[in-house]
Amino acid sequence: NAGVTQTPKFQVLKTGQSMTLQCAQDMNHNSMYWYRQDPGMGLRLIYYSASEGTTDKGEVPNGYNVSRLNKREFSLRLESAAPSQTSVYFCASREAGQGAEAFFGQGTRLTVV
Amino acid sequence: GEDVEQSLFLSVREGDSSVINCTYTDSSSTYLYWYKQEPGAGLQLLTYIFSNMDMKQDQRLTVLLNKKDKHLSLRIADTQTGDSAIYFCAEEKAAGNKLTFGGGTRVLVKP
Repeated sequence: NAGVTQTPKFQVLKTGQSMTLQCAQDMNHNSMYWYRQDPGMGLRLIYYSASEGTTDKGEVPNGYNVSRLNKREFSLRLESAAPSQTSVYFCASREAGQGAEAFFGQGTRLTVV
Repeated sequence: GEDVEQSLFLSVREGDSSVINCTYTDSSSTYLYWYKQEPGAGLQLLTYIFSNMDMKQDQRLTVLLNKKDKHLSLRIADTQTGDSAIYFCAEEKAAGNKLTFGGGTRVLVKP
């Protein structure tokens, strides 16, 4: 019953450091997503992958890169962290096709100092 | 997300009905969703409506869709303290698999 697993759960970075947020799902879903959640801003889409081998930009892709490593895993990389990237990051997955439920991970709380 | 807007906060007394509103901009949206987020957790799907429907009822939840005005609402009947959470509406466009969320409405249920 793992569903969507995100690691790490918490992370503190210094400005300019890099890191990769990991996401894995065990539901054989085709589509995966990365969102960030900020107070008053709701969930904003960073990148998504409609299927294995494809990735597309969302609303706020600047400062991030993604890799759809295989069907299970979709990672988000911050090459040079900035304080503006302090946020809670959520990974989600769902079946391809419209009307499918999205399943969310528990989130990664990232602080950039 | 800038395409989907919601009011920030709603306070309601236990036992009353709650109505959470959402507006969206893309008339090509095919599915519209309501998700619930409890403290410290990810989002969970509550219900959804297909764009050719006006209303959908699911136990205490009623979704109304006014496609002409691009307005979506979620009514929770007999609101309970366990309904205190953040509620997000989301739209799915006809093309691609992009899922866009609104800013979320924080609902506080007072005893």
